[in-house]
Amino acid sequence: GDSVTQMEGPVTLSEEAFLTINCTYTATGYPSLFWYVQYPGEGLQLLLKATKADDKGSNKGFEATYRKETTSFHLEKGSVQVSDSAVYFCALSGNYGGSQGNLIFGKGTKLSVKP
Amino acid sequence: DSGVTQTPKHLITATGQRVTLRCSPRSGDLSVYWYQQSLDQGLQFLIQYYNGEERAKGNILERFSAQQFPDLHSELNLSSLELGDSALYFCASSVVSAGGSTEAFFGQGTRLTVV
Repeated sequence: GDSVTQMEGPVTLSEEAFLTINCTYTATGYPSLFWYVQYPGEGLQLLLKATKADDKGSNKGFEATYRKETTSFHLEKGSVQVSDSAVYFCALSGNYGGSQGNLIFGKGTKLSVKP
Repeated sequence: DSGVTQTPKHLITATGQRVTLRCSPRSGDLSVYWYQQSLDQGLQFLIQYYNGEERAKGNILERFSAQQFPDLHSELNLSSLELGDSALYFCASSVVSAGGSTEAFFGQGTRLTVV
């Protein structure tokens, strides 16, 4: 079945460091890909998305490119801030019972940014 | 604020009991999804409703059931509760676009503790 694998955390960086969180997927068909962020004590918020191969999603300085040839959707940010500390989830729109739209999540990567 | 409202925020109950979690989707969203987030299983899709009808089932136990009402709010019923059911339960709502991509908006979750 469809699945998402993302790098294990936790990841600890200093402020202004470069961030990469790796995400690869296995899916039949052509799923949409997402990054969600969960701040402490809160629900998940959509960070960015890409709906087809070579699309680049971007938001708040974060970027990810849908790479079909490597089945990847790595999250990057050039200069992280303390406020970026959160858990990041990679997800794809799955296909349960013929219904597209249900999300399959990776296990999450906890990011801590130190001042 | 995602526009998805979940109540209650916290729930503590004893093993063997039954609880009901409630979700009001964003205005205009016909699809409601329920997810369970636990430390060992991560984020797992449980069930989806679309305009009052069950659309897809994921890893939902037989002790759990859900429904979506004519006003589109949804309830997740958990019965014969076990310690292992302690988790954060999220509701999400979405509009599925013609392209099949799904941008889901999540509520803040209900934290269930079974003692």
